[in-house]
Amino acid sequence: GDSVTQMEGPVTLSEEAFLTINCTYTATGYPSLFWYVQYPGEGLQLLLKATKADDKGSNKGFEATYRKETTSFHLEKGSVQVSDSAVYFCALNSGGTSYGKLTFGQGTILTVHP
Amino acid sequence: AAGVIQSPRHLIKEKRETATLKCYPIPRHDTVYWYQQGPGQDPQFLISFYEKMQSDKGSIPDRFSAQQFSDYHSELNMSSLELGDSALYFCASRRTEIYEQYFGPGTRLTVT
Repeated sequence: GDSVTQMEGPVTLSEEAFLTINCTYTATGYPSLFWYVQYPGEGLQLLLKATKADDKGSNKGFEATYRKETTSFHLEKGSVQVSDSAVYFCALNSGGTSYGKLTFGQGTILTVHP
Repeated sequence: AAGVIQSPRHLIKEKRETATLKCYPIPRHDTVYWYQQGPGQDPQFLISFYEKMQSDKGSIPDRFSAQQFSDYHSELNMSSLELGDSALYFCASRRTEIYEQYFGPGTRLTVT
């Protein structure tokens, strides 16, 4: 079945540091890939997406590239801010008969200190 | 822009009681999904509806049932509640021709 594996956390960084959160996946066919962010006490917000190999999703300074050869979708940001502190989830939708349900990774807690 | 609405936002029930969670999708979205997120866990898919018909089913206990109504809102009915049902329950909606799902703020269910 489909699965998503995220790097173990939590991740603690100083403001303006470079961020990488690793995400690899296993899926049949050609999945669409997503990063969602969850701030404390809130719901999930879509951060970025990529729907085919070599696509780069980007939003609010975050980027991720869909790498089919390494089955990866790592999240990066060049300079994090305190306001980026949240839980980040990598997710996939394998399409086909799954009718769009999302399979999530275990989440990575990011804490950014001033 | 309109978002997914869930009610109630918080719910406290005792063991063996029943609970009903409601979800109002974004207008013109034809698919609704329900997810369960336990403490410190990733969201787990429960069930989905497309055009008011059940389209997919995940790890939803037999004690739970759901439906989508003619106005596209959906309800998740939970009976014989157990302590382990305490979780955040998210609803998400989507239009078929776009890839992303939009999540509601969630209902936090506490079973005591």
